Amino acid sequence: RKEVEQDPGPFNVPEGATVAFNCTYSNSASQSFFWYRQDCRKEPKLLMSVYSSGNEDGRFTAQLNRASQYISLLIRDSKLSDSATYLCVVNTVSGAGSYQLTFGKGTKLSVIP
Amino acid sequence: GAVVSQHPSWVICKSGTSVKIECRSLDFQATTMFWYRQFPKQSLMLMATSNEGSKATYEQGVEKDKFLINHASLTLSTLTVTSAHPEDSSFYICSARARWGGGGETQYFGPGTRLLVL
Repeated sequence: RKEVEQDPGPFNVPEGATVAFNCTYSNSASQSFFWYRQDCRKEPKLLMSVYSSGNEDGRFTAQLNRASQYISLLIRDSKLSDSATYLCVVNTVSGAGSYQLTFGKGTKLSVIP
Repeated sequence: GAVVSQHPSWVICKSGTSVKIECRSLDFQATTMFWYRQFPKQSLMLMATSNEGSKATYEQGVEKDKFLINHASLTLSTLTVTSAHPEDSSFYICSARARWGGGGETQYFGPGTRLLVL
């Protein structure tokens, strides 16, 4: 089983639509969670952290369910500029105290005019 | 925000040559830097973790003699792909971890280096 699994995509949605991405992780010891955005041929950039209580940043809402080991990202009122690949990222601390980010394969979103 | 630079941004080289990629943290000191590789339509895969002044820790399946990492200062880490072959063609991304007052940590990514080995 892959450590971080995401919807395969791609998601093609019209402008203004609401779209949701799902992600599951296998390591129950994972401590922090993020959504990153990666544009074509660019490095990933942090979109938002994900907290157990759920958090919102403008049109973006992230949710975490530790019991189910499930993370989601909701984008409301999609814009053309939201077109990108969205990466689910999990941070796990090892026994030695170091931590490592594990990336999902990403879900590609295309927002269509 | 913190900035991480990489140089060069892209490289085309002949098979058998070595390629060096530099990663710099521009406005903060990075005690730990990470090197990732991403093949088309695949996720970022961690290659190695580099701590300043000590040997890098390589992930399983990554040849340490082929991918030489040097982290000589708190702002610079280099990755050298020795005797590169076409299968080494990939997008190499470095990342630097910044520690802030209060115990917070953030990992910043460089813009990546696209390597094409002919």
